Amino acid sequence: QSALTQPPSASGSPGQSVTISCTGTSSDVGGYNYVSWYQQHPGKAPKLMIYEVSKRPSGVPDRFSGSKSGNTASLTVSGLQAEDEADYYCSSYAGSVVFGGGTKLTVL
Amino acid sequence: QVQLQESGPGLVKPSETLSLTCAVSGYSISSGYYWGWIRQPPGKGLEWIGSIYHSGSTYYNPSLKSRVTISVDTSKNQFSLKLSSVTAADTAVYYCARQDPIILNWFDPWGQGTLVTVSS
Repeated sequence: QSALTQPPSASGSPGQSVTISCTGTSSDVGGYNYVSWYQQHPGKAPKLMIYEVSKRPSGVPDRFSGSKSGNTASLTVSGLQAEDEADYYCSSYAGSVVFGGGTKLTVL
Repeated sequence: QVQLQESGPGLVKPSETLSLTCAVSGYSISSGYYWGWIRQPPGKGLEWIGSIYHSGSTYYNPSLKSRVTISVDTSKNQFSLKLSSVTAADTAVYYCARQDPIILNWFDPWGQGTLVTVSS
């Protein structure tokens, strides 16, 4: 199983929107609606932000949204805030679990 | 609410076996869900190690399968990880987490993580 492909970095100014992509194959992202997104602040454990492509756990702001097209999933953060600066990881069911390499989101 | 806490030695010698335990509070493991282990080498990304169903069925990352054993102790409400023949490449923060109850899917919540260093 190969890791999912994410851009190493993304950035945006406060109030703007930013989208992070997560590209896999038909054996993982494209084959199942089981894509999750995690936010990780430095020195902290990851936090689930999106599951099953577009569902938000209780307590996650609706500024965070997820989608999928073919073998690529996306996480969009709208109305960027300073506290959104973190690393973001995608993962997908693939008969097992595969993670993306992570994207560092910088709020300018 | 559900809480998970990893414990175990912070330093393991090369070629030895890494052993960690994840204590679960606020939920009975025997009631359901998958329970997983994930690791993160310093400065790098997340890697799934493996998961165990509440019934005891196990699922491992193919790249680690020959060295990994995950078990569950429902009487103590905890599950454990053993990774044999460790090398410096196994140095990482190790997390335990509750997983989707139906399929190997999302992880939530996560433990705080524990750093394990492999060094002589």
